Amino acid sequence: QVQLQQWGAGLLKPSETLSLTCAVYGGSLSGYHWTWIRQSPGQGLEWIGEINHNGVTSYSPSLKSRVTVSVDTSKNQFSLKLTSVTAADTAVYYCARGPYTDWPLAGHWGPGTLVTVSS
Amino acid sequence: EIVLTQSPGNLSLSPGERATLSCRASQTITNNYLAWYQQKPGQAPRFLIYGASSRATGIPDRFSGSGSGTDFTLTITRLEPEDFAVYYCQWYGWPPRTFGQGTKVEV
Repeated sequence: QVQLQQWGAGLLKPSETLSLTCAVYGGSLSGYHWTWIRQSPGQGLEWIGEINHNGVTSYSPSLKSRVTVSVDTSKNQFSLKLTSVTAADTAVYYCARGPYTDWPLAGHWGPGTLVTVSS
Repeated sequence: EIVLTQSPGNLSLSPGERATLSCRASQTITNNYLAWYQQKPGQAPRFLIYGASSRATGIPDRFSGSGSGTDFTLTITRLEPEDFAVYYCQWYGWPPRTFGQGTKVEV
């Protein structure tokens, strides 16, 4: 059974860089889309961006200038970096893997990481 | 960018009743690239439906999706206590793969 585990700093100061990593267990990175999604407190889901099995990345237009998604296939991990964070970036961040190969959906989810941006 | 508008925002129902949730897109959804997710408090979302009407693995058949073009529906027949949650639709064609704002199904 596919399980995703994620980790990273939970408290940041404004202007710092958010860095999260997601590891997959019981499944492969190969052939799948890997996505980051966030949810601000009490709000809905926001698609941040993704990397596909060919290493092609896509990002939300509103975050594109600050976001990088990358993958390390040797470790079965993928990562999110978001630079110059502000309080508006406070959210639970989820990593997700496609349910089927080459499907850009969030079929399997990590548990989420709460990231708080505060001075 | 495709904008998805879900209605109603809140739906008050009782166990055993039927729930009908709507998701309307700002432009035509090609190839029915429309998915649905369920989220309970404190949990990650759960993948329910893809291709507008195909259930994901392990999803009970009381959940069904329908629609095409710009109008889509998630129907839950005979609500079970564990179905009270927030439901999101998502466009997953070309990026950005946007979500609707959610519909909360509550008792």
